[in-house]
Amino acid sequence: EVQLVESGGGLVQPGGSLRLSCAASGFTFSTYWMHWVRQAPGKGLVWVSRMNYDGRNTKYADSVKGRFSISRDNAKNTLYLQMNSLRVEDTAVYYCARWESTVINGYYYYYMDVWGKGTPVTVSS
Amino acid sequence: DIQMTQSPSSLSASVGDKVTITCRASQSVTKFLNWYQQKPGKAPKLLIYGASNLQGGVPSRFSGSGSGTDFTLTITSLQPEDFATYYCQQSYSTPLFGGGTKVEIK
Repeated sequence: EVQLVESGGGLVQPGGSLRLSCAASGFTFSTYWMHWVRQAPGKGLVWVSRMNYDGRNTKYADSVKGRFSISRDNAKNTLYLQMNSLRVEDTAVYYCARWESTVINGYYYYYMDVWGKGTPVTVSS
Repeated sequence: DIQMTQSPSSLSASVGDKVTITCRASQSVTKFLNWYQQKPGKAPKLLIYGASNLQGGVPSRFSGSGSGTDFTLTITSLQPEDFATYYCQQSYSTPLFGGGTKVEIK
């Protein structure tokens, strides 16, 4: 079964750090780009970061740039999100998602087809 | 970054109704547009990719259309399990989401 399982969330004080993990199974993790998406309580989905298949290409939302760092260990089939200098506004459920593609008429259409159940992060004093 | 705007932000409908949700991009994304469904406490689920291609296992009452900057998600004959929040997402560049449309029971 294709599956993503996040872990590492919890309660942390403002200014603190957390490292989230996303364990992949049931597919060849090392061939997929991966994303982190978050959702604050009662709010919509917000893209956070992405990493290409070999870890050499990353991108971040402006709101987390310089504070969060995405990484992966393809030998362990695991994606990570290191979150430093956490703020109250980082409080959210954090999801990892697989970036899949389908070729239609010569174009590669990309989408998030597999999601984890999410791990909650609460930043509060 | 290309910003995505959905309308309405919420709507009330009855079982059996036809529902239409609109998504507008701040600039053209050609057909690189995805739709997701999310139920409370659950992860999002992919419904449609490439503006109009139904993901496997998704009921045919869901359909997508549009290109460029204007897109539509249509649910014909709304079912009880369709009450949820729907998000569009562009995959032309940084994959940002629209603000969501909550479909509630009338």
